Amino acid sequence: QMQLVESGGGVVQPGRSLRLSCAASDFTFKNNFMHWVRQAPGKGLQWVAGIWHDGSHSLYGDSAKGRFTVSRDTSKNTLFLQMTRLRADDTAIYYCVRDRGGADPLPYYFDSWGQGTLVTVSS
Amino acid sequence: EIVLTQSPATLSLSPGERATLSCRASQSVSIYLAWYQQKPGQAPSLLIYDASTRATGVPARFSGSGSGTDFTLTISSLEPDDFAVYYCQQRMNWRALTFGGGTKVEIK
Repeated sequence: QMQLVESGGGVVQPGRSLRLSCAASDFTFKNNFMHWVRQAPGKGLQWVAGIWHDGSHSLYGDSAKGRFTVSRDTSKNTLFLQMTRLRADDTAIYYCVRDRGGADPLPYYFDSWGQGTLVTVSS
Repeated sequence: EIVLTQSPATLSLSPGERATLSCRASQSVSIYLAWYQQKPGQAPSLLIYDASTRATGVPARFSGSGSGTDFTLTISSLEPDDFAVYYCQQRMNWRALTFGGGTKVEIK
């Protein structure tokens, strides 16, 4: 049974930085496009960022552009999200998500989800 | 950005009834649409992709239809476990993946 386990969440002051990690197991991590998706308390889902299977390219949602950086360490089967200049509206559960994949190496759909890590931005 | 509008926001039904959920896109997404189910306190799970293909292990009472801008998720006969929030998501514009706002299916 494949697993995605997020860590690194917590309470952080506005303007500070935080790094999230996601440990992947029981699937071939290097083969899959990976994402971060977030959900503010009581709200809907918002795609944050995605990264190619080989780490060669990355994509960002509008809320993350210029502030967040997604990366991956294939040797450690780990996905990261470096978040800087955090704001109150970044408060959310952050999910690490595997892409289902398709005929090409582009993003498709969100196939398997971790349980999420809560980030609270507050002074 | 492609905007997905889901309706209704809340659907109140009884077990055994048929549920019909709608997702409308601001521009054509061809068949590149998925549906997710989220139960309270849990991460979402993939139900349907490419508008009508059930994900592995999803019961046959869940079906998806549509193409272009109008899509429907149908639950043929609601089971107690089906009361949850459902989201649609497009990947037509894969550079900017977007979700709909969700439909909550609640027990009447």
